[in-house]
Amino acid sequence: DQQVKQNSPSLSVQEGRISILNCDYTNSMFDYFLWYKKYPAEGPTFLISISSIKDKNEDGRFTVFLNKSAKHLSLHIVPSQPGDSAVYFCAASARRQGGSEKLVFGKGTKLTVNP
Amino acid sequence: GAVVSQHPSWVICKSGTSVKIECRSLDFQATTMFWYRQFPKQSLMLMATSNEGSKATYEQGVEKDKFLINHASLTLSTLTVTSAHPEDSSFYICSGKTSGSTDTQYFGPGTRLTVL
Repeated sequence: DQQVKQNSPSLSVQEGRISILNCDYTNSMFDYFLWYKKYPAEGPTFLISISSIKDKNEDGRFTVFLNKSAKHLSLHIVPSQPGDSAVYFCAASARRQGGSEKLVFGKGTKLTVNP
Repeated sequence: GAVVSQHPSWVICKSGTSVKIECRSLDFQATTMFWYRQFPKQSLMLMATSNEGSKATYEQGVEKDKFLINHASLTLSTLTVTSAHPEDSSFYICSGKTSGSTDTQYFGPGTRLTVL
């Protein structure tokens, strides 16, 4: 049961344009969402996060939008740069019984930014 | 800040042997550390969660006797794959987080394990 879905396995954009990566989730208990960037054979690097009490969070070229009613979030990168080429993972977190949390990851979207 | 290292970055071992992977938080104290496994073209799957000084909590389907986790200090956790088999070959990644209100985890670079 895939609770976090990234339906586009890949995305290709031109340098300078906007990249929009999408993520859908099914568990309404998720209350914290994160985007990670990953290069091959490396661990994920934290990019940006958003709490469920917000609908937008911006950090430089990266903006995350959250639509709770649609259980959808997106990551916007503008302007896109060739160095942004990587796999982007969406992750969601929910508190479990006992207070621990668990990050559930999507399968990732490979972004290619062409010069 | 928030740097996590892993050692080794890759390891090849024979079937039946044990392999230990170290995870260190270099510039913060990780009250909680997590171990993930990633198979090709799949997402990261949480294997276990460990809090410093206490036993790890394993996810359903993960054998605790096979994947031994020790979180001896606020900066070090180890994962030992015991009696490794070829199906254990995977990319193992750890992460750490501090106590606090956010759930941001900081990941290590991963360890590629190949069991022959």
